[in-house]
This record gives sequence, C-alpha cells and structure tokens, in this order.
Amino acid sequence: GIQVEQSPPDLILQEGANSTLRCNFSDSVNNLQWFHQNPWGQLINLFYIPSGTKQNGRLSATTVATERYSLLYISSSQTTDSGVYFCAVGQGNKLVFGAGTILRVKS
Amino acid sequence: DAGVTQSPTHLIKTRGQQVTLRCSPKSGHDTVSWYQQALGQGPQFIFQYYEEEERQRGNFPDRFSGHQFPNYSSELNVNALLLGDSALYLCASSLGQGVVGELFFGEGSRLTVL
Repeated sequence: GIQVEQSPPDLILQEGANSTLRCNFSDSVNNLQWFHQNPWGQLINLFYIPSGTKQNGRLSATTVATERYSLLYISSSQTTDSGVYFCAVGQGNKLVFGAGTILRVKS
Repeated sequence: DAGVTQSPTHLIKTRGQQVTLRCSPKSGHDTVSWYQQALGQGPQFIFQYYEEEERQRGNFPDRFSGHQFPNYSSELNVNALLLGDSALYLCASSLGQGVVGELFFGEGSRLTVL
C-alpha cells in the first residue's frame, strides 16, 4: 500500500515564527488533505489539496503531485496553532494517514 | 450546517463486552467511513459505507462490523472487546462513492477497555 511520511516528527517554535511541514508519499494520488487535530481529538480540515497551492489566512499549502510531496506553511505562529498536524492521501475509498507532526508553539 | 456528530463521546467497557458507536454525517453527505486512532498514531481506516453497503474494508477482524441506515447515519459495532481496542474512534463523512473525496470528521468516541 501507499506510504506516507511526515517530517519533522516534532517541532517547537517561538510565537511569531514561521514553519514548514512536509509530507512525502510513495505513489500517485488524486486526493490529499491536511488536518489539525485539536486537544479534544477532533480532526479539523485545513486543506483539500491534491495539487497546486492554496492559502487560508496564515496557513498555506502546496502539493507537487508529480514529485509526490506536499508542504504546509504556517506563518506568524500562535500558541493556538499547537497540536498534531496530519497529512492524509487517498487510496481507493480510504485516506491513508501519516504519523503526524507534533507542533508546540511557546509564548 | 450540521457537521459530523458522534455518540457517545466517552465510554468505558470491560474485556469481552460489546460496544456500539453512532455517527450522523454532515448535511448533504451520503458516505460514512470509520477510523481507529490509537494513542500517538495516525488514524487507521476500518471501513466505508455507501448506499447501506460496506464498500471497502481495512485490516480489521470480523469483530468490527457496521451498518448504514437509509438516512445515511451509521453504527460501528465491536464484539468481544480486547484491551487493544482502546482507542479514539472517528467517523468521517463525504459525498459519493469511489475515489475518496474531501472527508469531514466528527469529534470521535473515546473507548477505554479495562
């Protein structure tokens, strides 16, 4: 099956700093989503981005499907950005998730 | 616009018991998928339901079963609970069957098996 690798596994930032999270996948995909999991466990949709670039406020994402990677950019980080960020790619009727990046933003 | 709702939010069971978890999809969605998330890991696909039928199944034993009702809501049943079944169970909804579209998740049901 398809493999999804996220890096870095952990990231500590000072409030106001920028960061880039990476997602590599082992096969071509036609669905890729980024999620933020809040402390209560809910997966919050950030981007549905099988290809191209999207921006939403301080967050943006780019997927280069031909090179099998996606990047999530967080600018001017805030403490509320802390949590786990997951990349997930579509395989048939399911999403295959990476192991996540744990982000901690310090004030 | 109602999002995905799940119940119960937390529950505690003992080994050998059975549990039923419930999910109502996002308004306008007709497809429901279930995922299991163990502590410190990413969610793992259990199965997907569309038109009241199981369409795809992940690597989970037959103790895990499900159902979808005509109003698109769904249940996940787990029989003969094991300690290893302790996890967060997430329901996701989407529109249409086939290649998975954009998924929206509920807040999850956290199951503890003692």
